[in-house]
Amino acid sequence: EVQVVESGGGLVKPGGSLRLSCAASGFTFSSYTMNWVRQAPGKGLEWVSSISTASTTYLYYADSVKGRFTISRDNSKNSVFLQMNSLGVEDTAVYYCARGGALVGPTVFDSWGQGTLVTVSS
Amino acid sequence: DIQMTQSPSTLSASVGDRVTITCRASQSLNRWLAWYQQKSGKAPKLLIYTASTLESGVPSRFSGSGSGTEFTLTISSLQPDDFATYFCQQFNSYPLTFGGGTKVEV
Repeated sequence: EVQVVESGGGLVKPGGSLRLSCAASGFTFSSYTMNWVRQAPGKGLEWVSSISTASTTYLYYADSVKGRFTISRDNSKNSVFLQMNSLGVEDTAVYYCARGGALVGPTVFDSWGQGTLVTVSS
Repeated sequence: DIQMTQSPSTLSASVGDRVTITCRASQSLNRWLAWYQQKSGKAPKLLIYTASTLESGVPSRFSGSGSGTEFTLTISSLQPDDFATYFCQQFNSYPLTFGGGTKVEV
């Protein structure tokens, strides 16, 4: 069974940093694009970042996080990470880790974690 | 960036109703469009991809159609489990973008 489990959320002050982790299981992790999608309280879904498969690593970011967030993966640990710096109140959201496709390029999200809440507040 | 516009934003319906949700893109997607269902407090669930392909395990009362810039999600006979919020998402190009959502309520 495909599973992704996020961790690392919490309360952080504006300007602070946080690192989210996502542990995956039940599939050949290195063969799939992995993604972060967020949802602010009471709002819709916003794609944040994607990292392609191990063989050809491409990184993609939403303009709203470019230069502040960094996505990475460790295929030996079946994990993907999101390093978030210079956080602002607008980054407050539930952050979901989601599996993408096995091909390079834009993707759908076919398996999602339960989400981890990031709250940016003074 | 490709803008995705869903309508309506809220839809009132009853069990057994046929429900249709529309998603319009600001530029052609060919058929690179997906639909998700999200229940309150839960993660989204993929229902349909490439406009009309049903994800494994999704009931056949869900169907998708369209191409280019206009797409629809149809629930042929609404069931109690279907009251939720539905989102469309384009995967034609980065940045990936979602529609604003349609809440299906009683």
